[in-house]
Order: sequence, then structure tokens, then C-alpha cells
Amino acid sequence: DQQVKQNSPSLSVQEGRISILNCDYTNSMFDYFLWYKKYPAEGPTFLISISSIKDKNEDGRFTVFLNKSAKHLSLHIVPSQPGDSAVYFCAASVRLGGSNYKLTFGKGTLLTVNP
Amino acid sequence: EAQVTQNPRYLITVTGKKLTVTCSQNMNHEYMSWYRQDPGLGLRQIYYSMNVEVTDKGDVPEGYKVSRKEKRNFPLILESPSPNQTSLYFCASSLFWGVGSGANVLTFGAGSRLTVL
Repeated sequence: DQQVKQNSPSLSVQEGRISILNCDYTNSMFDYFLWYKKYPAEGPTFLISISSIKDKNEDGRFTVFLNKSAKHLSLHIVPSQPGDSAVYFCAASVRLGGSNYKLTFGKGTLLTVNP
Repeated sequence: EAQVTQNPRYLITVTGKKLTVTCSQNMNHEYMSWYRQDPGLGLRQIYYSMNVEVTDKGDVPEGYKVSRKEKRNFPLILESPSPNQTSLYFCASSLFWGVGSGANVLTFGAGSRLTVL
């Protein structure tokens, strides 16, 4: 059962335009969402996060939007740069009980920003 | 430099030959975890540890063992590797796990590519 879904395996945009990466989830108990970026031959790196009590979080060129009713979040990159070309993973966290939490990742979306 | 260090980065081995992938972090993080990345499947959690001597299974623990005898180290052990364990493995750590600013932010190692023949 895939609880975090990134339905677009790849996305291609022109430099300077907006990149929108989407993520859907099924578990309404998820309370924290994160985006990670991964370059080839490197480990994923944290990009931006959002709590379930918010609907938007912004950090420079990166903005994450959360629509809880639709169980959907998106990452906007404006303007897109060639250096943003990477695989982007959406992740969601749920509390299992006590101090035990679980983080579930989507399958990732490969973003290519063309010069 | 704050980092998670995995070794080896690349390994080719044969079925049944026990191997250990080491993971060490220098950030005094409580939480550590192992993931495997396979084409079309994303990142799947193998095992995790909330603190020293506390470990638990993730989504795909079969064929793996872990231990957390000290805070900084979290080795992944393949007692009898099989070809279906050929994958890219990532170790990750987090200062804490829960709710709050900076929560659940994993720092990943560079990855260990394992091939089992």
C-alpha cells in the first residue's frame, strides 16, 4: 500500500520558469511533510518541510503548499535553475505511538531544468 | 564537518558471504535509519533506531540485521546476502524525531552501492 505517491516520474521545464512537483498521500494521520533533493552519486538532502497545521511554507525560491482536504502537497520552484535538476522525494511523517514516528517516502520525481 | 559516513561506497560480493556496511555520524543524533533505493520503488526503510540499544523494523527488514551499541554507529549486517539485496543503500540520522521545528530532518550518507552475484 503506497501511502505517499508521486505520480510523475519525471518533469522537464525551461530555465527561469516555474517547476511544480506534486505529491499525494492517503494517510490522514500524517502530520509533517518534507521534500528532499537527490543528485546522482549523492545522498538525499533536506530541502523544505511543512507541518500539517500550515498550508504554506516558503524558503527562498522554494515554496511548499499543503491541501489537507485533498491530501495533496506540491513543491514550487521559482525561478527554476539548471542546478535544480535532481530527483525530488516527497516524504510524510506519522506518529505511531509514544516517541515512535515513521517517515514514508514517495518514489521520487526527476526534474530536468533545461538552459 | 557534520556528516554521515558510510563504508564501503561500492561492493561486489557473492551470495551467502556475510558483509557489514558501516554507518557513523558525528552530530550526536539520536535517531538513525537505513534505507534502500531501487529503480521505481523510491526509498524504503529497512531498520531504524530511536536511540542506543533501541532498534525496530522498517518496511523491508528481511535478510538484514542491525545493532546500535553506541550513539554514533549503526551498522547494517547482511548475514547471507542474496541477489535481491543488490541495491543502493543509504544510512541517515536525525537529531530528534517528533514534532517541532527541525523535526524529522534526516541527514543522509552518500550511499553504498551493493551488488550480490
